[in-house]
Formats: sequence, C-alpha cells, structure tokens
Amino acid sequence: AQKVTQAQTEISVVEKEDVTLDCVYETRDTTYYLFWYKQPPSGELVFLIRRNSFDEQNEISGRYSWNFQKSTSSFNFTITASQVVDSAVYFCALSDATGGFKTIFGAGTRLFVKA
Amino acid sequence: DSGVTQTPKHLITATGQRVTLRCSPRSGDLSVYWYQQSLDQGLQFLIQYYNGEERAKGNILERFSAQQFPDLHSELNLSSLELGDSALYFCASRHGGTGELFFGEGSRLTVL
Repeated sequence: AQKVTQAQTEISVVEKEDVTLDCVYETRDTTYYLFWYKQPPSGELVFLIRRNSFDEQNEISGRYSWNFQKSTSSFNFTITASQVVDSAVYFCALSDATGGFKTIFGAGTRLFVKA
Repeated sequence: DSGVTQTPKHLITATGQRVTLRCSPRSGDLSVYWYQQSLDQGLQFLIQYYNGEERAKGNILERFSAQQFPDLHSELNLSSLELGDSALYFCASRHGGTGELFFGEGSRLTVL
C-alpha cells in the first residue's frame, strides 16, 4: 500500500532562516510521481512541484529546492531565506503512474515564519 | 484561479440531513478527485473518477456516494450527516499528461 509520512507537524522559524520539510514515502510501484502542494492561510491548495520516479535530479526554483532520493524514499523540500509569506501548510503527495493515478497526501507540515 | 469550480462554498445543515456538493473540472481534464479535510487535518482521499467511471476509492464512508456525469462534472452526496462530517471538501481535476492536481476552493460543510 502507498503511504506518505510527514513527521514534522509544525515548524517555526524566524524570517531569513533556511528550513527543510521532510517527506518519506512508501510504494511498491516502480513508476510513480511525487508532489508538493502549499496551502496558505486562505485555504486554497497550490501545486508546487512534480517529480517522477525516474528523475532523481534535484530541482531549484528561486528560494525553493527539492531533494529526491530513491535510496531513502525521501522527497524533501527546502526553503532558503524564508519569508513571512511562506507561512502555510505544506503537503507531500504520492501518485501511482499507471492505471488510476490515485494520489494520496501526507498529513502536512505547518510552517510558521516569524518576522 | 485553478479552473476547478466547486459549489456551494459554504453549507450549514443539521445532523441526519443530506447534502450534495458539486464540482466542475478544468476544461479538458477527464479526472475528478474528492478529498476531505477535517479541522487541522490532512487531506483524506475519498474517491476518484475518470471520464465517468470510478477509478479508485479511498476511505469513503458508505453514507457518502459520488458520481461523474457525461459532461464531466461530479457530485459528492453526503447523507445521514453526523457532527464529525463537518469538514472542508475539496475537488480536484488532474492534468492528463503530468499528473498534478488542480484544486477547487473547497466546500466548507458545517453539521450542527
């Protein structure tokens, strides 16, 4: 069965600190997708990144970076020089890539960035 | 704007009642997903449809049912409502080529 674990329930940092959000997943599939979504206080869910299981290259987008390691089944998300606007709940998600694309989410990590 | 439309945005009802939540996916997307988010909880996968057919089922209660119509909109029916059903219900449609989900703004259900 598929499972996504985000062990950090809440993280609090001061503005300009770097912060890493952890995500560990379980799947028996050899082909799958991993995602990160952001849910700001306004409540909407916003897609941030997708990574397929064959692409272990790290990705950087501005202050955001993602580290995918199949050997440890992890897909961690780092925010560099955090800002107050980064305060949100961040969800890691896993989808199979064959058949139904069923997508399950981790419990989320609530990030507080204080000025 | 994600392009996914959910109605109603807010709904207040009483225990034992039945409600219907509606979702219209983005233009061109064939898949619809339903998720439940209770207060300070994660997203619980309920059910998924693809082009009118059920594709996957999650922790959906027997009191809940859903369907996707030929025009691809979907409805989630919640019956015999209990206080614990109070939650934010999200609908999402999936980008066919790359798999990411685009979410509606959610329907907030309050059961009193």
